[in-house]
Amino acid sequence: EAQVTQNPRYLITVTGKKLTVTCSQNMNHEYMSWYRQDPGLGLRQIYYSMNVEVTDKGDVPEGYKVSRKEKRNFPLILESPSPNQTSLYFCASSLSWGPSEQYFGPGTRLTVT
Amino acid sequence: GENVEQHPSTLSVQEGDSAVIKCTYSDSASNYFPWYKQELGKGPQLIIDIRSNVGEKKDQRIAVTLNKTAKHFSLHITETQPEDSAVYFCAAGYGQNFVFGPGTRLSVLP
Repeated sequence: EAQVTQNPRYLITVTGKKLTVTCSQNMNHEYMSWYRQDPGLGLRQIYYSMNVEVTDKGDVPEGYKVSRKEKRNFPLILESPSPNQTSLYFCASSLSWGPSEQYFGPGTRLTVT
Repeated sequence: GENVEQHPSTLSVQEGDSAVIKCTYSDSASNYFPWYKQELGKGPQLIIDIRSNVGEKKDQRIAVTLNKTAKHFSLHITETQPEDSAVYFCAAGYGQNFVFGPGTRLSVLP
């Protein structure tokens, strides 16, 4: 089944404790992206990657890191999480950067206390 | 940068009625306008999209219209059904570089 998977689905952590949210797609998509979703703000892009070893900042990159060492994986790293990073996070992938459908993962709900 | 506004933020309709959600965008360079549906506990899913060289696109009960001059586009759902209840997001941009609107929560009442 073609899908985007994220782990963990739920995470409660404390301020300053490094964490990684994994994202994997099995569709051989070139483009991958991370979003955060907050009430009343819609989805805001954090980082994106157009291919292996090619990443760039989105609209809200502060406090986040990403890497794209393999085509299928695009982990999101929070080196020192803070409470304002409490949010619902989505990973997405698409065939290419050109206008096309983005496939979203199921989401990761992160709480930082 | 691009800014996308979406109205209304909530919408309740009777089953069988039509629903219309409107979005405006600011960047005249935007040429791709997707609409995503998000059901509770799930990630958004594309339901329809339109490109700037097209004024209208229809897929069964769903249609999208685009007015590039006025920089607005709309989603129309006819003959609404309870399974249409969800949050709908519009987006505007080019390539995969697009900005989402804040969302509209649609409730279809039986």
